[in-house]
Amino acid sequence: EAEVAQSPRYKITEKSQAVAFWCDPISGHATLYWYRQILGQGPELLVQFQDESVVDDSQLPKDRFSAERLKGVDSTLKIQPAELGDSAMYLCASSLGQGQPQHFGDGTRLSIL
Amino acid sequence: AQSVTQLGSHVSVSEGALVLLRCNYSSSVPPYLFWYVQYPNQGLQLLLKYLSGSTLVKGINGFEAEFKKSETSFHLTKPSAHMSDAAEFLCAVFTGTASKLTFGTGTRLQVTL
Repeated sequence: EAEVAQSPRYKITEKSQAVAFWCDPISGHATLYWYRQILGQGPELLVQFQDESVVDDSQLPKDRFSAERLKGVDSTLKIQPAELGDSAMYLCASSLGQGQPQHFGDGTRLSIL
Repeated sequence: AQSVTQLGSHVSVSEGALVLLRCNYSSSVPPYLFWYVQYPNQGLQLLLKYLSGSTLVKGINGFEAEFKKSETSFHLTKPSAHMSDAAEFLCAVFTGTASKLTFGTGTRLQVTL
């Protein structure tokens, strides 16, 4: 079982709705990452946190996606409104620091109808 | 910019045969290199990593990889495939310049009787 906790495991919703994903990293890991993995491709980084601060959100579609890590521990990724193209696996990972091995959760598989 | 190329999106081997999954990277600075394994609808599990030192790296489940700077390669091998090895394998590179992990598109390993 993955040590990084994510919920929900699966989410099915209609386009234009709001969706939210939650991630609880390994205790003590200062760096937290959100990735999107489209079927048949490798994960792509959406946002990276160092403690509660965003250090990289260059690939996050900010018109509809938002992410926060208010207390520097768990994190939430939100999409509003969802579009058909957002269907993918959303993975959370954590590490002790940049360049250190990342540990992944089991992901949330999102399907937009 | 850093990038990863995994030759062969699908590889099929017989049980007991040698497994060879290819990974080539592009980086202007010394890289950190990783192999992850992903089972269906699950997150990524770290197989092995190269940060520095010995270029032959041993990982979990009998896998190993060799860093060859002259060939910019980090191929993954296992002497004898088991049915339980069937999964998606992802190669990734990290550099201090980019400060993020870049994944290849993955190779799906099928093991047949």
